[in-house]
Amino acid sequence: SQQGEEDPQALSIQEGENATMNCSYKTSINNLQWYRQNSGRGLVHLILIRSNEREKHSGRLRVTLDTSKKSSSLLITASRAADTASYFCATDANGSSNTGKLIFGQGTTLQVKP
Amino acid sequence: GAGVSQSPSNKVTEKGKDVELRCDPISGHTALYWYRQSLGQGLEFLIYFQGNSAPDKSGLPSDRFSAERTGGSVSTLTIQRTQQEDSAVYLCASSLGLGTGYEQYFGPGTRLTVT
Repeated sequence: SQQGEEDPQALSIQEGENATMNCSYKTSINNLQWYRQNSGRGLVHLILIRSNEREKHSGRLRVTLDTSKKSSSLLITASRAADTASYFCATDANGSSNTGKLIFGQGTTLQVKP
Repeated sequence: GAGVSQSPSNKVTEKGKDVELRCDPISGHTALYWYRQSLGQGLEFLIYFQGNSAPDKSGLPSDRFSAERTGGSVSTLTIQRTQQEDSAVYLCASSLGLGTGYEQYFGPGTRLTVT
């Protein structure tokens, strides 16, 4: 079963706008990661946030984590056409970080129109 | 340096045949993971290796699936007697250490089509 559920499933915006994607999960976690996937092939790691962190930034990316609500959000500011991709959140399996086993959400498909 | 590589990039096979998928992790990465991505199931974890050992095989969908890793490096995922539901993209990833606190680097995947 999926640990993460993402919302929205699809998002279409104009270049320059901000994009916000949300991820909810079911069990307690140690770490949450966000990945991007282009063209249905390899995933690229974007950012990792630990359960004791609330917010993290990387360039135009901002990730928040609310463990009380079991949710995370990914904000992409000043979007570009090249940001068009699918975005996935991934968490520990059953709260265990030792194995490295990641449980992925279904993903949000982002389209940025030039 | 080189990233994770996988071969073949595409594989079309007939139902009932065996296939082997190969993964070359990033040099020095001790942990290796296999995932499967299909339209109906999304991204599913299959198996992980720490060194050459695979402590948890519970993610493998059936006993037709097996994986090994030799020399702490290259890994092969073998699917015996392939079925149409095995059609998916098989993704391999490696990381510097074992645990979800490490970034996983993914290969481009092998797209398997079972006809």
